[in-house]
Amino acid sequence: SQELEQSPQSLIVQEGKNLTINCTSSKTLYGLYWYKQKYGEGLIFLMMLQKGGEEKSHEKITAKLDEKKQQSSLHITASQPSHAGIYLCGAEGGGSNYKLTFGKGTLLTVNP
Amino acid sequence: GAVVSQHPSWVICKSGTSVKIECRSLDFQATTMFWYRQFPKQSLMLMATSNEGSKATYEQGVEKDKFLINHASLTLSTLTVTSAHPEDSSFYICSARGPSTGYTFGSGTRLTVV
Repeated sequence: SQELEQSPQSLIVQEGKNLTINCTSSKTLYGLYWYKQKYGEGLIFLMMLQKGGEEKSHEKITAKLDEKKQQSSLHITASQPSHAGIYLCGAEGGGSNYKLTFGKGTLLTVNP
Repeated sequence: GAVVSQHPSWVICKSGTSVKIECRSLDFQATTMFWYRQFPKQSLMLMATSNEGSKATYEQGVEKDKFLINHASLTLSTLTVTSAHPEDSSFYICSARGPSTGYTFGSGTRLTVV
């Protein structure tokens, strides 16, 4: 089964600072998804990456997938308290194996 | 966009009783639905995958007789926790995937067994 390692496990930053969260897979990533969650609530879809070297941005959040398709990073520029939450990377199994398994998540705290 | 409705959002039940959680895709046909469990301060653990009209496929270590999953239509899947016990208390989240949609998640159900 595919294992996803997320780092760091938790992160505390001052408002306005930039930060990066990493997601590393033990296998080739066929579809890599980033979600944000407030604990006890549902998941908010951020971005999905499929192609090696792909990069997507939405507002102040940028996600990249490396050329080898085994590592992804999520970068937040000029963080705000509204960015606080749990960030989860999820990966599809590949082929017709449509199911998402998740990393352990990164808890982000942004201090005003 | 694709919307998934999950009910109830929270439920308290007595030990030994059964609880049913519903997951509905409101504006698309969900060919596949997924059920996850989340413990405090932990990530989502995939419990099972269900395709419409087929038996669910359970992940290793998940008791299929304990967690009954039904996916009788393209818009509805249910998870029934049978003979619930306090250790079943958790946050359960469903996800639905359609032919032209990604993975859309419900808002989750907090189950407390007393």
